[in-house]
Amino acid sequence: AQSVSQHNHHVILSEAASLELGCNYSYGGTVNLFWYVQYPGQHLQLLLKYFSGDPLVKGIKGFEAEFIKSKFSFNLRKPSVQWSDTAEYFCAVNFYNQGGKLIFGQGTELSVKP
Amino acid sequence: KAGVTQTPRYLIKTRGQQVTLSCSPISGHRSVSWYQQTPGQGLQFLFEYFSETQRNKGNFPGRFSGRQFSNSRSEMNVSTLELGDSALYLCASSSSARGGTEAFFGQGTRLTVV
Repeated sequence: AQSVSQHNHHVILSEAASLELGCNYSYGGTVNLFWYVQYPGQHLQLLLKYFSGDPLVKGIKGFEAEFIKSKFSFNLRKPSVQWSDTAEYFCAVNFYNQGGKLIFGQGTELSVKP
Repeated sequence: KAGVTQTPRYLIKTRGQQVTLSCSPISGHRSVSWYQQTPGQGLQFLFEYFSETQRNKGNFPGRFSGRQFSNSRSEMNVSTLELGDSALYLCASSSSARGGTEAFFGQGTRLTVV
């Protein structure tokens, strides 16, 4: 079955620390990859996406992600987090020939201490 | 450009009742997907509609149904409500005909079944 897994359920960091959130998906051929963020009380917003081309993609607010096809991974990174990055982060995969269907990971709650 | 609008924002229903949720996609978007978000199961895909046709369906019982109108607005219906149906229901719209584009999410409808 197609699935997406996120390695960490809850991450606590101090401001200025570096962030890396892991995301792996089951094999399914061609994929489109996304990271979404959900700030407290707000709707899901797109951080970044990968469809093809350069496997290192940059998104909003200084976030970036690297697609490693051989490892079926799409890890999210940020060199220096801020208190305002406190939110829940979701990795999502759109598998080939599945229309617009997104399969989400369980989410990672990030708490940044000032 | 107006975002995805979901109504109502909050609902309280009794077991056994039925409920209808509404979603207005971004103007020009013809794909509408529905997701259920719970603390235990995370974000799970319910179904996707494109040009009034259901294109994809998740693993939910037949009590969950949906439809899409010619103006792309979509409704989701849950019949014979159970306590476990309490969740945040999210609607997402995209412009894609074949998937693989960004999905924009609404604020969600918080359904509580008592």
